[in-house]
Amino acid sequence: QVQLKESGPGLVQPSETLSLTCTVSGFSLTSYSVSWVRQPSGKGPEWMGRMWYDGDTAYNSALKSRLSISRDTSKNQVFLKMNSLQTDDTGTYYCTRDSYYKDYFDYWGQGVMVTVSS
Amino acid sequence: DTVLTQSPALAVSPGERVTISCRASESVSTRMHWYQQKPGQQPKLLIYGASNLESGVPARFSGSGSGTDFTLTIDPVEANDTATYFCQQSWNDPWTFGGGTKLELK
Repeated sequence: QVQLKESGPGLVQPSETLSLTCTVSGFSLTSYSVSWVRQPSGKGPEWMGRMWYDGDTAYNSALKSRLSISRDTSKNQVFLKMNSLQTDDTGTYYCTRDSYYKDYFDYWGQGVMVTVSS
Repeated sequence: DTVLTQSPALAVSPGERVTISCRASESVSTRMHWYQQKPGQQPKLLIYGASNLESGVPARFSGSGSGTDFTLTIDPVEANDTATYFCQQSWNDPWTFGGGTKLELK
């Protein structure tokens, strides 16, 4: 079955870099895209960026200068790196599946809570 | 960016019909999707393309709308439908979400 699982540190210091990993199973990263979506507590989600099935990337312009998404298809993993973290980057970070033909998020990981604090 | 506006909260009794609205700041054609999120869980896809029911989702859920105005209907509402419901558009970049409507049962 399709599964996505996020992993990474729960606490990041202000101005530091966040590194998260999404490990997927049940589908191929060369057939589906994986997006990162974050959600501050009590607020709506925000799409951050996408690793397309063909290896191309797309980013939310609001985050583009700080964000990098990459992948390792041999390990079925997608990576997120975001630098210069501030307190308003605190929230739950999800990886999700979408595709060229499915312009919505049909599967979500369980999420990882990230707190930016000194 | 396309702003999606939802009412913050609704309260209904089990067995009733409830409609949750989502208004877009510009047209999104029919590329509107709905998710249910229960406390402590990830969002779950309910409706895609404004009116298509995701596999495995009860037929009590339905969606409608096009352009800028969309609704999610639950009929009849059950106790375990207590959750926050989000709309999300994929017509304009970047894809955006609404702020969510929290549904409470009386």
